[in-house]
Formats: sequence, C-alpha cells, structure tokens
Amino acid sequence: QQQVKQSPQSLIVQKGGISIINCAYENTAFDYFPWYQQFPGKGPALLIAIRPDVSEKKEGRFTISFNKSAKQFSLHIMDSQPGDSATYFCAANSGGGADGLTFGKGTHLIIQP
Amino acid sequence: DVKVTQSSRYLVKRTGEKVFLECVQDMDHENMFWYRQDPGLGLRLIYFSYDVKMKEKGDIPEGYSVSREKKERFSLILESASTNQTSMYLCASSRDRVQPQHFGDGTRLSIL
Repeated sequence: QQQVKQSPQSLIVQKGGISIINCAYENTAFDYFPWYQQFPGKGPALLIAIRPDVSEKKEGRFTISFNKSAKQFSLHIMDSQPGDSATYFCAANSGGGADGLTFGKGTHLIIQP
Repeated sequence: DVKVTQSSRYLVKRTGEKVFLECVQDMDHENMFWYRQDPGLGLRLIYFSYDVKMKEKGDIPEGYSVSREKKERFSLILESASTNQTSMYLCASSRDRVQPQHFGDGTRLSIL
C-alpha cells in the first residue's frame, strides 16, 4: 500500500516557468513533509520541508503548499532554471522525524532552456 | 557540513554471498537509516537505528539485517544475496527526532 502518491512521474517546463509537483498522503499521523532533490549520481538532498501547523512555506524560488483537510501538499518552483533539472521526491513521516521517511515515487523534472 | 560516507560506490557480488554495506557519518548523529532506491518505486526504508545497538524494521526488512556497534557507523547486511536485491542503497542520518535526514551518495549493488 503506497502511503504517499506523487504526480506527475515526469515534467517538462520551459525556462522561467513554474514547475508544480503534487503529493497526496493517507496516514493522518504524518506530521513532517519534506521535499528532496536528487541529481544523477548523488544522494537526495533536502530542499524544503513543512509541518502541518502552517499552510505554506517559501524559501527562495521554492514553495510548499499544504492542505491538511485534503491530505495534499505540493512543491512549486518559480522561475524554473535548467539547473533545477533533477528528480524530486516528496516524503512524509510521523513521530517528529525520528522514524524513517515514506517517499513518493519521484518526479523527473526537465527545464528546457 | 554533514557528511555521510558510504564505503563503496559500486559493488558486484554473487548469489548466495553475504554482503556488507558500510555507512559512516561524521556529525555525531543519533539516528541512521538504510533505504533502497529502485526506478519507479522511489526510496523504501529497510532498517533504521536511533541509538547504538538499537534497530527498528522499516517497510522492507526481509532478507536484510543491520549492525550499529558505534554511533557513527551503520552497516547493512545481506545474509544471502539474491538477484532481487540488485539496487541502489542509500544511507542517511539525522541529529535527532526533529532534524532532517542527510543522505550519502549511495552504493549501486549488483547481484549476479
């Protein structure tokens, strides 16, 4: 049973556009929702994270929107750049972060120059 | 800067062998994790540890065991390797229960 569903599987966006990746979860005990960015040959790196007490968090060009009632959260990349081309994973866990993360299946993002 | 080091980038083993994957972190982190990453499946948690000599099963522990004898080192053991364990293995660590997980660059393991 997949507990975090991520879409789309792949995404092509023009340079300067907005990239949007969506995730939905089932476990209402989840209380931590990070996004990871992974480049080929590298491990995932934390991009931005949110907890359910806020509906939005912004760091530079990256924004997480969180909808607790719908059990959904999304990543928005504003002014997308070719250097943003990577695989993005949403994740979630409960217990304040001590436990392992449950990951979505990933989105392969390509930013066309 | 946090550094999580996995001892091998690539490893080729044969079916039935006992395989050890090593992970070391240099930031005195309490928690350590092992995941496997497969195309189209994302990352899946195998085992994690929140203290020396402590371990907890993740979502897919079958066929694996772990060892944490020192705080900085977390080993993943494939007791009798099988071809379906061919995968990318990622180690991660976090300082405590409210801090993010930091990942190593992975070990690509092939079982022939």
